[in-house]
Amino acid sequence: GQGVEQPDNLMSVEGTFARVNCTYSTSGFNGLSWYQQREGHAPVFLSYVVLDGLKDSGHFSTFLSRSNGYSYLLLTELQIKDSASYLCAVSPYQGGRALIFGTGTTVSVSP
Amino acid sequence: EAAVTQSPRNKVTVTGGNVTLSCRQTNSHNYMYWYRQDTGHGLRLIHYSYGAGNLQIGDVPDGYKATRTTQEDFFLLLELASPSQTSLYFCASSGGGSNSDYTFGSGTRLLVI
Repeated sequence: GQGVEQPDNLMSVEGTFARVNCTYSTSGFNGLSWYQQREGHAPVFLSYVVLDGLKDSGHFSTFLSRSNGYSYLLLTELQIKDSASYLCAVSPYQGGRALIFGTGTTVSVSP
Repeated sequence: EAAVTQSPRNKVTVTGGNVTLSCRQTNSHNYMYWYRQDTGHGLRLIHYSYGAGNLQIGDVPDGYKATRTTQEDFFLLLELASPSQTSLYFCASSGGGSNSDYTFGSGTRLLVI
């Protein structure tokens, strides 16, 4: 079956960094997206990657390895307000254009 | 401003009740989706559509119907609501290209008592 896996929780300290991992197994691959979601609110788009390697977007960077079915979201210079859930989502070839979401990783940033 | 608007924001109904959740998008997107989100499960796809009159079954369709009346409007229908359908529901739209344009509505919180 198809699936997207993420760790449930991650704790880090203000001013440092956090790496949110995502592994996936899907029938096809047409890109991977990362979203930030705060409790009770809609997911907010952060990044989309389809090619292997590191994509640097400043505060957020994303890495993809298609051969390993692996991606990570790297948050640098962490701020308290970065505390949120981060969702990984994969677009497979089948199933139309619908995304398959992981359960999300809750990142907690402490002072 | 292009957007996805859901209504109502909150809804309470009784078991066996009839509920319709509404979604309208002004993004000129072809694709629209209904997801439910529950603790421990993440976002799960209920139904989706790639145009007016079209309907595709998602991963958790049981107990739900959907209808896409226009390019802009997509409805989710619960004809015999059950407590297991208590959840946070999100509508989304996309153009069907890279999926980097996936846009979510603000969500509808449904409580079935």
